[in-house]
Amino acid sequence: QKEVEQDPGPLSVPEGAIVSLNCTYSNSAFQYFMWYRQYSRKGPELLMYTYSSGNKEDGRFTAQVDKSSKYISLFIRDSQPSDSATYLCATGLFFTGGGNKLTFGTGTQLKVEL
Amino acid sequence: DARVTQTPRHKVTEMGQEVTMRCQPILGHNTVFWYRQTMMQGLELLAYFRNRAPLDDSGMPKDRFSAEMPDATLATLKIQPSEPRDSAVYFCASGLVRTGIHEQYFGPGTRLTVT
Repeated sequence: QKEVEQDPGPLSVPEGAIVSLNCTYSNSAFQYFMWYRQYSRKGPELLMYTYSSGNKEDGRFTAQVDKSSKYISLFIRDSQPSDSATYLCATGLFFTGGGNKLTFGTGTQLKVEL
Repeated sequence: DARVTQTPRHKVTEMGQEVTMRCQPILGHNTVFWYRQTMMQGLELLAYFRNRAPLDDSGMPKDRFSAEMPDATLATLKIQPSEPRDSAVYFCASGLVRTGIHEQYFGPGTRLTVT
């Protein structure tokens, strides 16, 4: 079992819909949670991160973490065709000065249709 | 706009040949990561450097892969000899720690095809 699981999709929604992307993780030691967006044939780009349970908003994007159920979500409001991409969640431990890695999910492919 | 650069962007080679991929991290970043991405496995961490010292290369097949950072502006990943199963996209990322959180910024990747 992978430490971070994501439904690969593809998820297809109409323009303007609210999109919900989800991850589950198995290691309760993880302390912060990131979302990366990856367009086709590009490198992943960091969208946002949060380290506490609850919601964090950034424009049309909201990251939500429920540490008790080890569940991470990314909501996209008023989705646009330009949001069509693969979304990867990642988890990590606070930097301690030594080795520190992110653990990535495999990504969910999203298509927003006109 | 600071970016991670990678060369080459595409590489097609025959089985048994040596492949060298290069990465220039963002100036001021002190961590560098090499990842491999495939449809089946997603992003796999191959190696990780901090202040040019290798910290973790447990994800790398040691018999054929090697990663180095000869200076702060260059990281290299070599495969010798290459095999068809090495076909994948290889990403370099450089990192910055902010308030304990390790932000990683990815390059555009090298798409490797081994025939």
